[in-house]
Formats: sequence, structure tokens, C-alpha cells
Amino acid sequence: GQNIDQPTEMTATEGAIVQINCTYQTSGFNGLFWYQQHAGEAPTFLSYNVLDGLEEKGRFSSFLSRSKGYSYLLLKELQMKDSASYLCAVINSNYQLIWGAGTKLIIKP
Amino acid sequence: GAVVSQHPSRVICKSGTSVKIECRSLDFQATTMFWYRQFPKQSLMLMATSNEGSKATYEQGVEKDKFLINHASLTLSTLTVTSAHPEDSSFYICSAGASGWGNEQFFGPGTRLTVL
Repeated sequence: GQNIDQPTEMTATEGAIVQINCTYQTSGFNGLFWYQQHAGEAPTFLSYNVLDGLEEKGRFSSFLSRSKGYSYLLLKELQMKDSASYLCAVINSNYQLIWGAGTKLIIKP
Repeated sequence: GAVVSQHPSRVICKSGTSVKIECRSLDFQATTMFWYRQFPKQSLMLMATSNEGSKATYEQGVEKDKFLINHASLTLSTLTVTSAHPEDSSFYICSAGASGWGNEQFFGPGTRLTVL
């Protein structure tokens, strides 16, 4: 089978740093996405990794290790508005997008 | 950036009626559109993938006669929920991709369907 694993919920403090992990087992790999989804809204794109390494974009960074089937999303200088669910999704060899269940991130003052 | 719109954003209907949801790519031509359903506190579930001018490919367990998808042009796809029932109440989200843009999908804002 194919599955994406990520923690269900995480809590962090405003101004701090948090790392959200994602591990995957899929039939082939053509890239990994991270999306942010606020309650009642559609997902918005954060990052795309297809090669190993770290991609940095402002306060958000995403890392990929294909050999380990592992990625993480790093959020720095957390703000209250970062409270949301963070979805990890992988494109397999059939170009199907396999979604994780999402990690609900709670930011406390 | 690429913008995808959905209409309506929210709809309430009686059981047994049909509901049509439109998904439009506003500033690009979407060669492929995806329809997702999301129940509360659950992840996105892909319902079907449609390419312009051809029949949609439905995921296992999704009834194609109940969820009619029409991808009539490169900027418009519609999802019709026929004979809706309360268990069809959900958040329906479309996304669009374009050839040459890699694998990224651009999401519409979603449609909240409530069937009474």
C-alpha cells in the first residue's frame, strides 16, 4: 500500500521554531509538496521538493531525503496566523498525488 | 500566480436534488483538473481526475453516475452531485494543473455542501 505519515497535532510557542515531519511509502516518487490549510479553507501551496536537500522560502523551509522517504517542514519565527493544518503530499510514479492526513499546528502566545 | 475559482462557495440543498459546482482557472489553461472531497478533520480524498475533452478518471469507490464531471474547456470543469443525500455533505475542492508547470496543483477555495 501507499501511505504518508505525519503527526496528528503539534503545539508551539509564538516566535519559536517548529519542525513537522513526514515519512512516506509510495509506489515511485515524483516530488513532495507541503500545503497549509486553515480551517474551512482550501489548501495553499507552501513548497515542492523533488531533489534531496533543503529548500528555503522566507520563514518556511522544506527538506527532503528520498533514500529515507522523509521530509520535514521547518517554520521559523512562528506567528499566531501560522496556526493551521500542514499537509504533506507525494506524487507517485503514476503521477497520483497521495495525501497525508495533515498535522494540526497550534501556536500559543 | 495561478488563480482557481469555485462557485458556489456554499450551498444548502434538500435531499434528492442535484447540485452543480463550477471550477474555473482564471489566468491559465488547466490541462488537468482534480476534484477532492474533505470531511471534517480528515485529509483530502481525491475523487476524480479530468483532462479537457476526455472522460474523467474516477478513484476507486467513487460513483461516476452520482458525481458527474465535465471538463468542457481548458478553463472550466464542473462537478454535479446528483440526487444528493445528507452523507454527501462535505467540503468539495477542485485543483488545476497545467502542462509545463511541473506537478504543482493550484486549489480553488472550496465549496461547502450541506444536504438537508
